Amino acid sequence: ETGVTQTPRHLVMGMTNKKSLKCEQHLGHNAMYWYKQSAKKPLELMFVYNFKEQTENNSVPSRFSPECPNSSHLFLHLHTLQPEDSALYLCASSQERGGSYEQYFGPGTRLTVT
Amino acid sequence: KQEVTQIPAALSVPEGENLVLNCSFTDSAIYNLQWFRQDPGKGLTSLLLIQSSQREQTSGRLNASLDKSSGRSTLYIAASQPGDSATYLCAVRPGNNDMRFGAGTRLTVKP
Repeated sequence: ETGVTQTPRHLVMGMTNKKSLKCEQHLGHNAMYWYKQSAKKPLELMFVYNFKEQTENNSVPSRFSPECPNSSHLFLHLHTLQPEDSALYLCASSQERGGSYEQYFGPGTRLTVT
Repeated sequence: KQEVTQIPAALSVPEGENLVLNCSFTDSAIYNLQWFRQDPGKGLTSLLLIQSSQREQTSGRLNASLDKSSGRSTLYIAASQPGDSATYLCAVRPGNNDMRFGAGTRLTVKP
């Protein structure tokens, strides 16, 4: 148990559906991250929220929309996804500015787009 | 652009053997380097974090070293056990709000 939880753990959705992934951290951290892990590719950083403000968006398609209502919760809203978006989506958190910057990961959501 | 490479991609060893996993990165300007373990279908578990000013970190049977000038890090696992079987990932932090991962080394320890 890393202190970072993600729901749901598995999700199957059609290309026309709208769904949301949820992440919650219980570590008192001030930064949260979304990563995508596709088969046979390194982890890709998608979004970063630092002190609740989005600071990075690594050219992620607009069909992925993040939301960070407070420093403990992070969402990834999904709509009109493509089959190639099927992957493991990982959330992480860290303590920035005076912290160790060590990243702690959740268990991930396995997403399948049909 | 920072690129991270891990060699070998896969490694199989008998139980009890000491082993070394390698990680190299192209830009020596990093804040830190972190080693993770990932079991199949699961999230990442942080093993060791080495700050840019440090040379090594140790935790139990694990020892990680960092040579920034040559762009290399190694993860040493002593007396390997079947429970060590997993994929090991190396990641560098090239700047604020960024992390670059290697593709990982898949380790199998045979009983």
